[in-house]
Amino acid sequence: DTEVTQTPKHLVMGMTNKKSLKCEQHMGHRAMYWYKQKAKKPPELMFVYSYEKLSINESVPSRFSPECPNSSLLNLHLHALQPEDSALYLCASSQAQTGAGELFFGEGSRLTVL
Amino acid sequence: GENVEQHPSTLSVQEGDSAVIKCTYSDSASNYFPWYKQELGKRPQLIIDIRSNVGEKKDQRIAVTLNKTAKHFSLHITETQPEDSAVYFCAASIGGAAGNKLTFGGGTRVLVKP
Repeated sequence: DTEVTQTPKHLVMGMTNKKSLKCEQHMGHRAMYWYKQKAKKPPELMFVYSYEKLSINESVPSRFSPECPNSSLLNLHLHALQPEDSALYLCASSQAQTGAGELFFGEGSRLTVL
Repeated sequence: GENVEQHPSTLSVQEGDSAVIKCTYSDSASNYFPWYKQELGKRPQLIIDIRSNVGEKKDQRIAVTLNKTAKHFSLHITETQPEDSAVYFCAASIGGAAGNKLTFGGGTRVLVKP
């Protein structure tokens, strides 16, 4: 199984809503990532978890709250988002050792904030 | 932090011709350079990667070259086919971080005309 599965595929939420994005992988990878991708732009790193601990936070606003409940799951909790947060949110995983190779990306969750 | 520049931003080629995309990076500590292909509405997928101890790598119609002294690397696609039409992203990763903190270039939109 070389897949990273993300749910939901599409999400529309108001600025006062609370929602969560979910990501799952069963490749035994111990590094998991959240990226944000705006239209016609490259993916931008948000968070990195290594062995279920947050190792990198790229100065992301606190309205985005990541969680890694176990080695296979990664969540992104969303609260009080702004319309400019509308984007494709990509989850990825890789081996966790220093200088690891390929990141495997999920298909993404397309978020629209009204 | 690392900065990756990618050129050109768009590239139109005739089927069967070659395509070349060039990237430069800023941090000499970077040691892993992957190339991702992203089709419209799809996830980024790794097509080839190279590490800093190698100058060139080839996989069928795709090749990547790395010049560490000049801090640039290039993707070469030969005998292009319509299915090569996509957005291509180069990336660079600095060793020493748990997992793989990739910095992406701005992307090249490749159109292969039949």
